[in-house]
Amino acid sequence: DAGITQSPRYKITETGRQVTLMCHQTWSHSYMFWYRQDLGHGLRLIYYSAAADITDKGEVPDGYVVSRSKTENFPLTLESATRSQTSVYFCASSESSSLTVETQYFGPGTRLLVL
Amino acid sequence: TQLLEQSPQFLSIQEGENLTVYCNSSSVFSSLQWYRQEPGEGPVLLVTVVTGGEVKKLKRLTFQFGDARKDSSLHITAAQPGDTGLYLCAGVVGSGTYKYIFGTGTRLKVLA
Repeated sequence: DAGITQSPRYKITETGRQVTLMCHQTWSHSYMFWYRQDLGHGLRLIYYSAAADITDKGEVPDGYVVSRSKTENFPLTLESATRSQTSVYFCASSESSSLTVETQYFGPGTRLLVL
Repeated sequence: TQLLEQSPQFLSIQEGENLTVYCNSSSVFSSLQWYRQEPGEGPVLLVTVVTGGEVKKLKRLTFQFGDARKDSSLHITAAQPGDTGLYLCAGVVGSGTYKYIFGTGTRLKVLA
């Protein structure tokens, strides 16, 4: 049971480059999320998706693009990386239905450094 | 912007001591969750509370949701080194939304 995986686990890139972070889950969960975690800010929601081809902005979406052509994959793209996007990125998934009390299952994170 | 403030930010205690971590907001939450995160890993859910005044126990951990659903606390009895980690609270405002708001976290270290 693979669960939820993220790749790469570590990434170093340069300012202005495009970077894509991958997220894959094997549970067929309807909902998927992308968060960034920074010291002093906790986890902040970037984007989320309720199902394939349905995405919505979270708290800090600027500079990021997402897509969800298949239920199991939810890639996050930084179109033109900036130093302020240096962070640890977490993907999460949850089942649908009763909404507010669902468990989110988190991936192991991707540590991104933008030089 | 809704905020969830956690206190203390850092806590270092000896094995066997008791401790309480607080999660406070000016917003009302329809539900609130507590997660624990270990270095190099993603957060893992500990508990969900949904009713004002609700108390849940998980072994040595006791979670309480405030009567007004604006705050929560996590109490650990007789802390052990295995309790070391980052504790995060997360709240959902309103219903029909998946926009979880996470607290800033409490980093706990339990010394043997």
